[in-house]
Amino acid sequence: SAVISQKPSRDICQRGTSLTIQCQVDSQVTMMFWYRQQPGQSLTLIATANQGSEATYESGFVIDKFPISRPNLTFSTLTVSNMSPEDSSIYLCSVLGRSEQFFGPGTRLTVL
Amino acid sequence: AQSVAQPEDQVNVAEGNPLTVKCTYSVSGNPYLFWYVQYPNRGLQFLLKYITGDNLVKGSYGFEAEFNKSQTSFHLKKPSALVSDSALYFCAVRENSNDYKLSFGAGTTVTVRA
Repeated sequence: SAVISQKPSRDICQRGTSLTIQCQVDSQVTMMFWYRQQPGQSLTLIATANQGSEATYESGFVIDKFPISRPNLTFSTLTVSNMSPEDSSIYLCSVLGRSEQFFGPGTRLTVL
Repeated sequence: AQSVAQPEDQVNVAEGNPLTVKCTYSVSGNPYLFWYVQYPNRGLQFLLKYITGDNLVKGSYGFEAEFNKSQTSFHLKKPSALVSDSALYFCAVRENSNDYKLSFGAGTTVTVRA
């Protein structure tokens, strides 16, 4: 399985600001995913990020709010833009293994 | 469309007793099924998967799960629970296709008392 790290591990931000979350993998992977886990809830897929192409967003998520970069096969960033308290969540990146996904430790975001 | 249901928000068992966490799924084609565990303030850890083959699959930490196509279920089991098994468990599904997107259940909190 891949070793995945995320930065920052947690942050407290003011509404109206933006935060960029980094996801680093110790091996080259084709497919990366970004999820949101709102307090006490399950995981919801935000987008799929493939290197060399635009991210594919799920219903309810838009690029202006959650821009994603995928500059190479080991790295991706997710930006949460113009934040509001409703964006307070854990944000997780994952990578596709042989058939299962492996997850990073998550970034716990609190928006005041 | 694909979906997963975990009918129990919480499961409480005594240490040493069998543990079962229920999961049912809905997909259009053949399912790929997964179990993940989340410990407090940690990311998700992969436990096991069913892709094809034997209906009983074994995974990490002594867990196993049984795929039942007729009942569209994939229940997670452990013969003898440990206090350290206390965590949040998620079942997930995706269709056997080139679409690799996972759909997760709501999660089941397992508490194992000493």
